[in-house]
Amino acid sequence: EAGVAQSPRYKIIEKRQSVAFWCNPISGHATLYWYQQILGQGPKLLIQFQNNGVVDDSQLPKDRFSAERLKGVDSTLKIQPAKLEDSAVYLCASSQIGRQFYYFGPGTRLTVT
Amino acid sequence: ELKVEQNPLFLSMQEGKNYTIYCNYSTTSDRLYWYRQDPGKSLESLFVLLSNGAVKQEGRLMASLDTKARLSTLHITAAVHDLSATYFCAVPNSGYALNFGKGTSLLVTP
Repeated sequence: EAGVAQSPRYKIIEKRQSVAFWCNPISGHATLYWYQQILGQGPKLLIQFQNNGVVDDSQLPKDRFSAERLKGVDSTLKIQPAKLEDSAVYLCASSQIGRQFYYFGPGTRLTVT
Repeated sequence: ELKVEQNPLFLSMQEGKNYTIYCNYSTTSDRLYWYRQDPGKSLESLFVLLSNGAVKQEGRLMASLDTKARLSTLHITAAVHDLSATYFCAVPNSGYALNFGKGTSLLVTP
């Protein structure tokens, strides 16, 4: 089966600019996660969707970050405006409800200058 | 709030030696995950531990889970250079999203 797809793989922007990342989960996976991984740290959950509803966005900086999952499939994560501290790898993952396995995408590496 | 702690955070070991990485977590969970991450790469699943007393082995790596102690170990036997990477443990929260530790950066030297 195809894995979790993410694009772009790399993005360089200047601070105060906007950026968007896209994730396509494994077909049939109802749950989708966005994680932020800053260099030298473990991944931190930003937002969790189940189908097209938000389960947990408690760690999402809502003043600048937004995410949506229209139709319960693809998801987009947006940052507007970006700050230097947003430089990180953004990982998307998906899983089936009630199953024990999580599948991670290749990530998008964001550099904010 | 679920907290996941790993130690050590950095580990330099010689080829052929054995060592153990520890992962403690703060709330009840009967599942724990180990991942490997190479520089510039995504997360690679190593082990999924699904019950108390679970033990899994793959090559030179063996993972175990003690849910009563809220402790998992990742044991490395006769380390080789190819094992150099960062290792993360992760525990699902009440909503089933994974909470990760800070990672253990392992360097195996000749």
